[in-house]
Amino acid sequence: KQEVTQIPAALSVPEGENLVLNCSFTDSAIYNLQWFRQDPGKGLTSLLLIQSSQREQTSGRLNASLDKSSGRSTLYIAASQPGDSATYLCAVAYNQGGKLIFGQGTELSVKP
Amino acid sequence: EADIYQTPRYLVIGTGKKITLECSQTMGHDKMYWYQQDPGMELHLIHYSYGVNSTEKGDLSSESTVSRIRTEHFPLTLESARPSHTSQYLCASSPGTGSRSSNQPQHFGDGTRLSIL
Repeated sequence: KQEVTQIPAALSVPEGENLVLNCSFTDSAIYNLQWFRQDPGKGLTSLLLIQSSQREQTSGRLNASLDKSSGRSTLYIAASQPGDSATYLCAVAYNQGGKLIFGQGTELSVKP
Repeated sequence: EADIYQTPRYLVIGTGKKITLECSQTMGHDKMYWYQQDPGMELHLIHYSYGVNSTEKGDLSSESTVSRIRTEHFPLTLESARPSHTSQYLCASSPGTGSRSSNQPQHFGDGTRLSIL
């Protein structure tokens, strides 16, 4: 069964810290992997998409890496800010159809 | 700004009512999706469509139905709502066929929070 797991489930850090969120997937034959952000009561905002042939993607203070052989991805957030507080979701697609399998998310709280 | 719109945002309704959740997108995307999300839980795909007149059931069994008569519109219907249908429903879209467009992220609406009494 194809499953996606995110650790930790919740994380609280002081402002300014660098942090890493983890995502693991059971089937390494992925098509792409996406990281999303979800604010309370809202939909999802796409942060980064890594194609299966790529090792990492960067956008501003965010860097996502992909290691297919070990079934892992990490989302690195540099110099965290209170505005980064949200739930971060990892999702995997296994073909061009775009159907995503989601992890349960990591709820991040950045304290001022 | 949102290019994919869901209405209503919140709905509280009694058991047995027929409900239609609306989803529209202005990006001309061929692919559209419905996800169900319970509090603190992961999103589960319940329906998807690859274009007009194409609909498929997702990985999570659902008593809802969908239609895709126009590219921009993908409504979800519950014929007779029950308390077990209480959840958040999220609609998403992404560009069409071809490997290049398939590596584009999905765009999500803000969701409909449905509560069946």
